[in-house]
Amino acid sequence: QVQLVESGGGVVQPGKSLRLSCAAFGFTFSPSAIHWVRQAPGKGLEWVAFISHDGNNKDYADSVKGRFTLSRDNYKNTLSLQMNSLRAEDTAVYYCAREGHAFDIWGRGTMVTVSS
Amino acid sequence: DIQMTQSPSTLSASVGDRLTITCRASQSINNWLAWYQQKPGKAPKLLIYKASSLESGVPSRFSGSGSGTEFTLTISSLQPDDFATYYCQHFNSHWTFGQGTKVDIK
Repeated sequence: QVQLVESGGGVVQPGKSLRLSCAAFGFTFSPSAIHWVRQAPGKGLEWVAFISHDGNNKDYADSVKGRFTLSRDNYKNTLSLQMNSLRAEDTAVYYCAREGHAFDIWGRGTMVTVSS
Repeated sequence: DIQMTQSPSTLSASVGDRLTITCRASQSINNWLAWYQQKPGKAPKLLIYKASSLESGVPSRFSGSGSGTEFTLTISSLQPDDFATYYCQHFNSHWTFGQGTKVDIK
Protein backbone atom coordinates (compact mmCIF):
# COMPACT_ATOMS: atom_id res chain seq x y z
CA GLN A 1 0.00 0.00 0.00
CA VAL A 2 1.36 3.39 -1.00
CA GLN A 3 1.74 5.47 2.14
CA LEU A 4 3.82 7.77 4.27
CA VAL A 5 3.86 7.29 8.02
CA GLU A 6 4.97 10.01 10.43
CA SER A 7 6.14 9.41 13.96
CA GLY A 8 7.90 11.17 16.81
CA GLY A 9 5.35 13.75 17.85
CA GLY A 10 4.58 14.54 21.45
CA VAL A 11 4.55 17.20 24.13
CA VAL A 12 7.74 19.20 24.58
CA GLN A 13 8.69 22.29 26.57
CA PRO A 14 9.54 25.57 24.85
CA GLY A 15 13.19 25.72 23.87
CA LYS A 16 13.55 21.95 23.71
CA SER A 17 14.05 19.69 20.70
CA LEU A 18 12.08 16.97 18.95
CA ARG A 19 12.81 14.72 15.99
CA LEU A 20 10.06 13.64 13.64
CA SER A 21 10.37 10.77 11.21
CA CYS A 22 8.60 9.95 7.97
CA ALA A 23 8.72 6.43 6.55
CA ALA A 24 7.71 5.53 3.00
CA PHE A 25 5.96 2.34 1.95
CA GLY A 26 4.74 0.98 -1.36
CA PHE A 27 6.55 3.33 -3.74
CA THR A 28 10.07 4.08 -4.84
CA PHE A 29 11.34 6.53 -2.25
CA SER A 30 14.73 7.52 -3.62
CA PRO A 31 13.51 9.54 -6.66
CA SER A 32 10.96 11.42 -4.57
CA ALA A 33 11.26 14.90 -3.13
CA ILE A 34 9.50 15.15 0.21
CA HIS A 35 7.92 18.09 2.01
CA TRP A 36 6.69 18.78 5.51
CA VAL A 37 3.49 20.73 6.00
CA ARG A 38 2.00 21.66 9.35
CA GLN A 39 -1.41 22.69 10.57
CA ALA A 40 -1.91 24.48 13.86
CA PRO A 41 -5.12 23.62 15.71
CA GLY A 42 -8.09 25.13 13.87
CA LYS A 43 -5.85 26.80 11.30
CA GLY A 44 -4.85 26.32 7.67
CA LEU A 45 -1.97 24.52 6.03
CA GLU A 46 1.55 25.92 6.27
CA TRP A 47 4.43 24.61 4.19
CA VAL A 48 7.44 23.98 6.43
CA ALA A 49 10.31 22.32 4.59
CA PHE A 50 11.50 20.52 1.45
CA ILE A 51 14.22 18.01 0.72
CA SER A 52 15.19 16.88 -2.77
CA HIS A 53 15.34 13.24 -3.79
CA ASP A 54 19.07 13.01 -3.09
CA GLY A 55 19.11 15.27 -0.03
CA ASN A 56 21.35 17.82 -1.73
CA ASN A 57 18.74 20.55 -1.89
CA LYS A 58 16.70 21.74 1.05
CA ASP A 59 14.48 24.70 1.73
CA TYR A 60 12.69 25.94 4.82
CA ALA A 61 9.95 28.36 5.65
CA ASP A 62 11.22 31.57 7.22
CA SER A 63 9.32 30.67 10.40
CA VAL A 64 11.55 27.61 10.99
CA LYS A 65 14.77 28.50 9.19
CA GLY A 66 17.80 28.01 11.42
CA ARG A 67 15.82 25.86 13.88
CA PHE A 68 14.60 22.91 11.77
CA THR A 69 16.81 20.56 9.75
CA LEU A 70 15.82 17.89 7.26
CA SER A 71 17.76 14.74 6.42
CA ARG A 72 16.96 11.52 4.60
CA ASP A 73 18.19 7.94 4.30
CA ASN A 74 17.26 6.49 0.92
CA TYR A 75 18.45 3.04 1.95
CA LYS A 76 15.95 2.94 4.81
CA ASN A 77 13.22 4.85 2.96
CA THR A 78 13.00 7.34 5.79
CA LEU A 79 13.58 10.98 6.48
CA SER A 80 13.85 13.05 9.62
CA LEU A 81 12.89 16.54 10.67
CA GLN A 82 15.04 17.75 13.55
CA MET A 83 13.24 20.56 15.35
CA ASN A 84 15.26 22.65 17.79
CA SER A 85 14.44 25.69 19.93
CA LEU A 86 10.76 24.86 19.76
CA ARG A 87 8.22 27.60 20.37
CA ALA A 88 4.56 27.58 21.32
CA GLU A 89 3.71 28.63 17.76
CA ASP A 90 5.25 25.40 16.45
CA THR A 91 2.33 23.49 17.97
CA ALA A 92 0.65 21.72 15.07
CA VAL A 93 -0.01 18.48 13.27
CA TYR A 94 3.00 17.80 11.07
CA TYR A 95 2.47 16.00 7.77
CA CYS A 96 5.06 14.66 5.36
CA ALA A 97 4.04 14.65 1.70
CA ARG A 98 5.53 13.38 -1.52
CA GLU A 99 6.11 15.79 -4.36
CA GLY A 100 4.68 14.18 -7.44
CA HIS A 101 1.75 15.81 -9.17
CA ALA A 102 1.87 18.52 -6.53
CA PHE A 103 1.72 16.85 -3.07
CA ASP A 104 0.15 13.59 -4.14
CA ILE A 105 0.81 11.32 -1.16
CA TRP A 106 0.37 12.47 2.43
CA GLY A 107 0.90 10.82 5.76
CA ARG A 108 -1.72 10.91 8.51
CA GLY A 109 0.31 13.40 10.50
CA THR A 110 1.89 13.52 13.94
CA MET A 111 0.95 16.03 16.62
CA VAL A 112 3.55 18.27 18.20
CA THR A 113 2.57 20.28 21.26
CA VAL A 114 4.99 22.85 22.65
CA SER A 115 3.93 23.77 26.15
CA SER A 116 5.38 24.27 29.58
CA ASP B 1 6.92 36.12 -1.58
CA ILE B 2 3.85 35.16 -3.58
CA GLN B 3 0.62 35.30 -1.59
CA MET B 4 -2.38 33.11 -2.33
CA THR B 5 -5.83 34.43 -1.43
CA GLN B 6 -8.98 32.32 -1.55
CA SER B 7 -12.56 33.48 -1.61
CA PRO B 8 -14.92 32.99 -0.02
CA SER B 9 -13.61 31.80 3.35
CA THR B 10 -16.84 29.94 4.02
CA LEU B 11 -19.49 28.76 1.63
CA SER B 12 -22.86 27.30 2.61
CA ALA B 13 -24.36 25.02 0.02
CA SER B 14 -26.78 22.17 -0.58
CA VAL B 15 -26.38 18.80 -2.22
CA GLY B 16 -26.66 19.23 -5.97
CA ASP B 17 -25.42 22.82 -6.00
CA ARG B 18 -22.74 24.02 -8.40
CA LEU B 19 -19.87 25.56 -6.46
CA THR B 20 -17.02 27.80 -7.46
CA ILE B 21 -14.07 28.70 -5.25
CA THR B 22 -11.59 31.35 -6.36
CA CYS B 23 -7.88 31.57 -5.68
CA ARG B 24 -5.82 34.62 -6.57
CA ALA B 25 -2.03 34.86 -6.65
CA SER B 26 -0.24 38.11 -5.85
CA GLN B 27 1.74 37.71 -9.07
CA SER B 28 1.64 35.43 -12.07
CA ILE B 29 2.27 31.77 -11.35
CA ASN B 30 1.40 30.54 -14.86
CA ASN B 31 -0.49 27.27 -14.22
CA TRP B 32 1.48 26.15 -11.14
CA LEU B 33 -1.60 25.76 -9.01
CA ALA B 34 -2.95 22.78 -7.09
CA TRP B 35 -6.19 22.21 -5.20
CA TYR B 36 -6.67 20.00 -2.15
CA GLN B 37 -9.63 18.78 -0.14
CA GLN B 38 -9.32 18.25 3.60
CA LYS B 39 -11.82 16.72 5.98
CA PRO B 40 -11.61 17.15 9.77
CA GLY B 41 -8.87 15.04 11.34
CA LYS B 42 -7.61 13.86 7.97
CA ALA B 43 -4.69 14.68 5.72
CA PRO B 44 -5.31 16.82 2.65
CA LYS B 45 -6.11 15.04 -0.60
CA LEU B 46 -4.87 16.26 -3.97
CA LEU B 47 -7.70 17.04 -6.40
CA ILE B 48 -6.25 19.17 -9.18
CA TYR B 49 -2.70 19.92 -10.31
CA LYS B 50 -1.31 22.31 -12.91
CA ALA B 51 -4.49 24.35 -12.53
CA SER B 52 -6.75 22.02 -14.52
CA SER B 53 -5.42 18.45 -14.45
CA LEU B 54 -7.58 16.04 -12.50
CA GLU B 55 -5.67 13.74 -10.16
CA SER B 56 -6.24 10.05 -10.77
CA GLY B 57 -9.26 8.71 -8.91
CA VAL B 58 -10.85 12.12 -8.29
CA PRO B 59 -14.46 12.35 -9.46
CA SER B 60 -15.07 14.26 -12.67
CA ARG B 61 -17.47 16.67 -10.94
CA PHE B 62 -14.32 18.46 -9.78
CA SER B 63 -12.63 20.75 -12.27
CA GLY B 64 -10.08 23.51 -12.20
CA SER B 65 -9.37 26.43 -14.49
CA GLY B 66 -7.32 29.58 -14.75
CA SER B 67 -3.78 30.75 -15.31
CA GLY B 68 -1.60 33.66 -14.34
CA THR B 69 -3.12 35.11 -11.18
CA GLU B 70 -6.72 33.89 -11.07
CA PHE B 71 -7.91 30.33 -10.66
CA THR B 72 -11.15 28.54 -9.88
CA LEU B 73 -12.16 25.19 -8.48
CA THR B 74 -15.62 24.10 -9.55
CA ILE B 75 -17.74 21.29 -8.19
CA SER B 76 -20.46 20.70 -10.77
CA SER B 77 -22.96 18.99 -8.46
CA LEU B 78 -22.13 18.95 -4.76
CA GLN B 79 -22.29 15.54 -3.12
CA PRO B 80 -22.54 14.73 0.62
CA ASP B 81 -18.90 13.62 0.62
CA ASP B 82 -17.77 17.03 -0.65
CA PHE B 83 -18.46 18.99 2.53
CA ALA B 84 -14.89 19.81 3.52
CA THR B 85 -12.27 22.54 3.44
CA TYR B 86 -10.52 23.29 0.16
CA TYR B 87 -7.07 24.78 -0.25
CA CYS B 88 -5.24 26.13 -3.24
CA GLN B 89 -1.45 25.96 -3.41
CA HIS B 90 1.20 27.62 -5.49
CA PHE B 91 3.39 24.77 -6.61
CA ASN B 92 6.75 25.51 -8.24
CA SER B 93 9.75 26.06 -6.00
CA HIS B 94 7.39 27.85 -3.67
CA TRP B 95 4.62 25.97 -2.01
CA THR B 96 2.35 28.58 -0.44
CA PHE B 97 -1.18 27.59 0.49
CA GLY B 98 -4.27 29.74 0.41
CA GLN B 99 -6.09 30.21 3.70
CA GLY B 100 -8.79 27.69 2.86
CA THR B 101 -12.49 27.67 1.96
CA LYS B 102 -14.83 25.72 4.19
CA VAL B 103 -17.86 24.27 2.42
CA ASP B 104 -20.65 23.51 4.87
CA ILE B 105 -24.26 22.50 4.73
CA LYS B 106 -26.80 25.26 4.13
